[in-house]
Amino acid sequence: AQRVTQPEKLLSVFKGAPVELKCNYSYSGSPELFWYVQYSRQRLQLLLRHISRESIKGFTADLNKGETSFHLKKPFAQEEDSAMYYCALLPLEYGNKLVFGAGTILRVKS
Amino acid sequence: EPEVTQTPSHQVTQMGQEVILRCVPISNHLYFYWYRQILGQKVEFLVSFYNNEISEKSEIFDDQFSVERPDGSNFTLKIRSTKLEDSAMYFCASSVDGGDTQYFGPGTRLTVL
Repeated sequence: AQRVTQPEKLLSVFKGAPVELKCNYSYSGSPELFWYVQYSRQRLQLLLRHISRESIKGFTADLNKGETSFHLKKPFAQEEDSAMYYCALLPLEYGNKLVFGAGTILRVKS
Repeated sequence: EPEVTQTPSHQVTQMGQEVILRCVPISNHLYFYWYRQILGQKVEFLVSFYNNEISEKSEIFDDQFSVERPDGSNFTLKIRSTKLEDSAMYFCASSVDGGDTQYFGPGTRLTVL
C-alpha cells in the first residue's frame, strides 16, 4: 500500500536556523512527490513538486529513491515560514489520488 | 491567479440530514477531487471525477456520498444522511490533468450534531 510518513508533528526552530522537515514514502512505482503548505486559516498551497526541481521561498527538496525520502530543507528559517507542511505522494500507477502524510507544524521563533 | 472556491465555509447540520457542499474548480481544469480531514487526522482522498463520471473513489465514499457537476462551473459533494463521524473539513481540488498538480480550495468545515 502507498504510504507517506512525516515523523515529526512539531518542529520548532529559531529564526536563521536551518530547517529540515522529514518525509518518507512507501511506493513500488516511480513516485511523484509534493510538498504542500498551509498557513494559518488559509488553503493548502503547493510549495514544491519534485519533478520541477525548483526552489520556492528558499525551500528545496530532493528525492532520494534509495532511502525513499523527500525531505524539505531551508538553510535559514524565517518567521513567515511558520505553517503546517504536508508531504504528499501521487501514485500514478494506482490512479490520481494524493496520499498525504500527517503533516508537520513548523514553528519559527524570533 | 485563478483559485478553487468552496461554499459554505462552515456548515452545521443535524445527524440524518442531507448536506451539499459546493465547489467551483479552476475553469480550464478537467479533473476534480474531494478530500476530507477529520480533526487531528490526515487529509484523506474521497473521490475523483473526470469527463462527467467518477474515475476513482475510496472506501470512505460509500452509498451515502455522491458527486455531481450540475453545470459548467460547479462541482458538488452530497452526503445523503449525515452521521456524527462525517464531521470534518472537506477540501475540493482540481487539476488540468490526472497527473498534474492539484490545487485546493479553502475547505468547508462540516459539523454534524
